[in-house]
Formats: sequence, structure tokens, C-alpha cells
Amino acid sequence: NAGVTQTPKFQVLKTGQSMTLQCAQDMNHNSMYWYRQDPGMGLRLIYYSASEGTTDKGEVPNGYNVSRLNKREFSLRLESAAPSQTSVYFCASSHRAIQGYTFGSGTRLTVV
Amino acid sequence: DQQVKQNSPSLSVQEGRISILNCDYTNSMFDYFLWYKKYPAEGPTFLISISSIKDKNEDGRFTVFLNKSAKHLSLHIVPSQPGDSAVYFCAASGAETSYDKVIFGPGTSLSVIP
Repeated sequence: NAGVTQTPKFQVLKTGQSMTLQCAQDMNHNSMYWYRQDPGMGLRLIYYSASEGTTDKGEVPNGYNVSRLNKREFSLRLESAAPSQTSVYFCASSHRAIQGYTFGSGTRLTVV
Repeated sequence: DQQVKQNSPSLSVQEGRISILNCDYTNSMFDYFLWYKKYPAEGPTFLISISSIKDKNEDGRFTVFLNKSAKHLSLHIVPSQPGDSAVYFCAASGAETSYDKVIFGPGTSLSVIP
């Protein structure tokens, strides 16, 4: 079982470039999430999708957009990357958040 | 303002001794709490959870204690092993968000010294 798969694992962008982070899960989970991890800040929620067809903002949504393409896939798009978006991005999925998330292995993004 | 706080950024413990990781929360609407463990270059993994109807939950070497009146929880690892060296995140959720998401604390880095 692959669980949650994120691509790419590493990416370097120039300021102003755009990119999409891909996430797919094979556990038939209803909910999917995008978090970013920064030193001293823990994991902060960017966007989440409680079910196919719905998306909601988290704590730090500015500068990002998401698409819940189907039950398996949830993508995160940076339209115009900024150095403040340098971070490690984690995708996660769950049946319900209180049952525990399954996380992907992360994408390390550097914006120069 | 952080709703979930882990005031100790790091902790060192001798192998075989008890590790105690602490977490405080400010939102009284939180009533479900989880702990995650994270190794470098990997995603976090779910460790143990507790709901507010309990004050203790055990799973093997891991026990979580909840003190609702103090808005405080702690994770006890007994005995600690070198493989427990990781970053531990406390997380909380509540009915006001339909338990659809959790809020994480900043994490505590645990080092277990052989």
C-alpha cells in the first residue's frame, strides 16, 4: 500500500514562478489536507477538503489555491511563488481528523 | 496566537528512563487530542489520542494524560528507547470545526541518549 504519495520531493523556484504540488491517497479517505512546516511554527494548515467537491481555508491560505480533483487527489498550487513560501509541505488524508492523519513524505520547496 | 503550545523545544532523556512531553491549549472548545511523531525527512505518524471524556489513555509504552481544568496534556514514554528520538507534535480538535481538522503545536524534539 502506497498510502499518501506526494510529488515532487524537492523543488527550487524563482520568485514569481508557479507550480503545483500533487498528492494522491489510496486509502479511500474522505478528507485531505495540506500543511506547511516551518521551524518553531509546527504544522500549519493551508487548506483542507472534508469531502470530494469541497475545500476550505485553513490557518495560512494566502498565496495558495487547491483543487480536489477526485476522492484520491488533492493538489496545491502556488500561482506566484514568494520567498516566504519556502517550507516543507505535507499532504495528509483521513476518514476523520480525530482518527489520525496519514501523511505523505513531504515536499521541500525553496523559493529564491 | 498559538492555540496549542509546547513550551519545551527540546528534551534529552537517558535510555530506559521516562520521557514526559507537555502540551497546553487555550481553546476550551477543544475536546479531542492527538500526538504525532516525526523522524527527519519523513512525514509525521499518528501515535496516540485521547478524548475529553477520559483522563488517561495507554498504548504500550505510550500514555497520554489529560487535565481538562488546567488545559494541559502530557505524553509519557516508558521506558524510553533510542528509536524514540524524534520530534513530537501535540494536536487538538473540537466540535466547532466538526472535527474536520486539527491544530498542531510547534513540536518538542526528544533525544534519547543510549
